[in-house]
Amino acid sequence: TQLLEQSPQFLSIQEGENLTVYCNSSSVFSSLQWYRQEPGEGPVLLVTVVTGGEVKKLKRLTFQFGDARKDSSLHITAAQPGDTGLYLCAGAGQIQGAQKLVFGQGTRLTINP
Amino acid sequence: NAGVTQTPKFQVLKTGQSMTLQCAQDMNHEYMSWYRQDPGMGLRLIHYSVGAGITDQGEVPNGYNVSRSTTEDFPLRLLSAAPSQTSVYFCGTSNTGELFFGEGSRLTVL
Repeated sequence: TQLLEQSPQFLSIQEGENLTVYCNSSSVFSSLQWYRQEPGEGPVLLVTVVTGGEVKKLKRLTFQFGDARKDSSLHITAAQPGDTGLYLCAGAGQIQGAQKLVFGQGTRLTINP
Repeated sequence: NAGVTQTPKFQVLKTGQSMTLQCAQDMNHEYMSWYRQDPGMGLRLIHYSVGAGITDQGEVPNGYNVSRSTTEDFPLRLLSAAPSQTSVYFCGTSNTGELFFGEGSRLTVL
């Protein structure tokens, strides 16, 4: 059973469209991170959100942490082909008695020119 | 600036063989971890270490051993490889919560 559920798992849209990726859990996290991964490389951190309700913007990307710190969303405005990649959310918290970082399944995003 | 270095990048094993995936970091990070990445499963934590001499199990530890004798190195050992261990393995290190990953090691077990 996945502790963090990401949706959708696959998304293919045209350049210029907007999209939202969701990351949901029944668990509370002390922080939530979003990573982006390109083929043949390791994931790279985009942002960390810590406070419930927090919103962070990174150019055309907007990240939001849910008020209860159980969920998060990533919204991309006017998507570009360069946004193509695998997006992973990761929650940090006390899991089975230890501080751990657990990942969602990932959302594979393809932006078509 | 090497960051996190994983070797080998590719490896093919036969069932029952043993091998070690190497992870070395030059960032003086206390926390090191091993994840495996499978299609549709995201990254799953295998083992992690919060400092030299300390290791602990993650979500999927069975079939894997680790040790942490130095701050810099965190090898992952497969004692008797199985086809179910075919995957891409990532080493991640951290001091502040943000994980820095290596480029991955792609392992195929026949």
